Amino acid sequence: EDQVTQSPEALRLQEGESSSLNCSYTVSGLRGLFWYRQDPGKGPEFLFTLYSAGEEKEKERLKATLTKKESFLHITAPKPEDSATYLCAVQASGGSWGKLQFGAGTQVVVTP
Amino acid sequence: EAGVAQSPRYKIIEKRQSVAFWCNPISGHATLYWYQQILGQGPKLLIQFQNNGVVDDSQLPKDRFSAERLKGVDSTLKIQPAKLEDSAVYLCASSSAGPGGSYNSPLHFGNGTRLTVT
Repeated sequence: EDQVTQSPEALRLQEGESSSLNCSYTVSGLRGLFWYRQDPGKGPEFLFTLYSAGEEKEKERLKATLTKKESFLHITAPKPEDSATYLCAVQASGGSWGKLQFGAGTQVVVTP
Repeated sequence: EAGVAQSPRYKIIEKRQSVAFWCNPISGHATLYWYQQILGQGPKLLIQFQNNGVVDDSQLPKDRFSAERLKGVDSTLKIQPAKLEDSAVYLCASSSAGPGGSYNSPLHFGNGTRLTVT
């Protein structure tokens, strides 16, 4: 059965203190790995899609990387506005179009 | 472009009552999804439509949940009768994934309906 596990569950950072979030996955053929950001009271907001091991993508202070078993989301010199829950999701090759299985997320709080 | 619209934003009902949620996807998106997000968990797919046909409803509790997408645009999700464990945020998402579109097109989510069952 496909499984997505994110760690840590929660992360408290000082502004400027870089860190990484982990997403480990077990899937019968990875079609894509997705990172989303979710603010309180809002729906998830798309950040990145990664397709193959070794791939990296960047957006502002965020950088996502992918290996055959896990993905990392690196937050470099975070600011308070980076506070959110970060969700990782996988799309299996046997699944229907766009069907995603999500992890439980990592709640990130960045303090000034 | 306008995002995914959902209503209502909040709903409080008693157990055994019925409730309905509405979703209007991004214009032109053929694929529509309903996800359930319980507090502290990631979203879980309930049902997926391609135009007005159901693609995947394997995790939909069909004894109490139903959904339809008339004319391949708007969609409604209904719960009847509601149970305490149905308390959650119900998220609607749409994408251009499917025939004629990219298999991996990202999902775009609405802000959800927060349901509380008392």
